[in-house]
Amino acid sequence: DGGITQSPKYLFRKEGQNVTLSCEQNLNHDAMYWYRQDPGQGLRLIYYSQIVNDFQKGDIAEGYSVSREKKESFPLTVTSAQKNPTAFYLCASSITTGDSGNTIYFGEGSWLTVV
Amino acid sequence: GDSVTQMEGPVTLSEEAFLTINCTYTATGYPSLFWYVQYPGEGLQLLLKATKADDKGSNKGFEATYRKETTSFHLEKGSVQVSDSAVYFCAPGGRALTFGSGTRLQVQP
Repeated sequence: DGGITQSPKYLFRKEGQNVTLSCEQNLNHDAMYWYRQDPGQGLRLIYYSQIVNDFQKGDIAEGYSVSREKKESFPLTVTSAQKNPTAFYLCASSITTGDSGNTIYFGEGSWLTVV
Repeated sequence: GDSVTQMEGPVTLSEEAFLTINCTYTATGYPSLFWYVQYPGEGLQLLLKATKADDKGSNKGFEATYRKETTSFHLEKGSVQVSDSAVYFCAPGGRALTFGSGTRLQVQP
C-alpha cells in the first residue's frame, strides 16, 4: 500500500539528547514536510523540502534539523537546543509544493516526550 | 503571511443535528482551500477541498463552498453521526498548508 510511514510511534528523550524521527514515503512525491502539534493546538510548520537535497525552514525551525538525501526519506532531528520538544510530530508529503491544489498527505505521527 | 480563523470548540451536538464550522482566511491571491479531519492519536486526513472561487467541495456528507467575497470556507453537514467526532482543520494552500488551531466536534448519541 502507498503511504507515509513514521517511526517510532512513541519516543522518550532525556534532557540534552538528540533524537531522530524517521519519515518514509512510497508515493513518489517530490515535496515533504514536518509539522509540530502541541496538545489542543493546531499544526506549525518546522521544515519542508521541495526536492531532493533541498529544504527550507518553516515557522519554528529553531532546535530542529533535517536532511533530504533520498526522495522517499525526510528524517527530522530534534536537537538539545530545542527547549520544549514534547509534542506530536507529523510528517507529510505532496506531489509538489506551492498552491496547485495538490493534496498534502500525512503520516500517523510520532509522540515525543522529554523525561 | 497566510492565516486561518476557525470557530473555537468544542462544538457539542446531538446525533443527526446540523453542523456548521466557520472558517475565514487571509492569503495572497486565491489559494486552494482544504478541510482536514484528525481522529484521536492519528494524523490528518483530507476531508474535502476546493480549488477556485464558488467551487463546492464535498465528501462523506460534508460540504464547503469557496466564497471569495467573504474569504470563507465554512464546513457543513446536514446530519452528524457519533463517528464524526474529531478535530477539523481549515487550511489555505500555499508553499505548505497553514493551519489554525482546529475545531473539536463532539457528537453525542
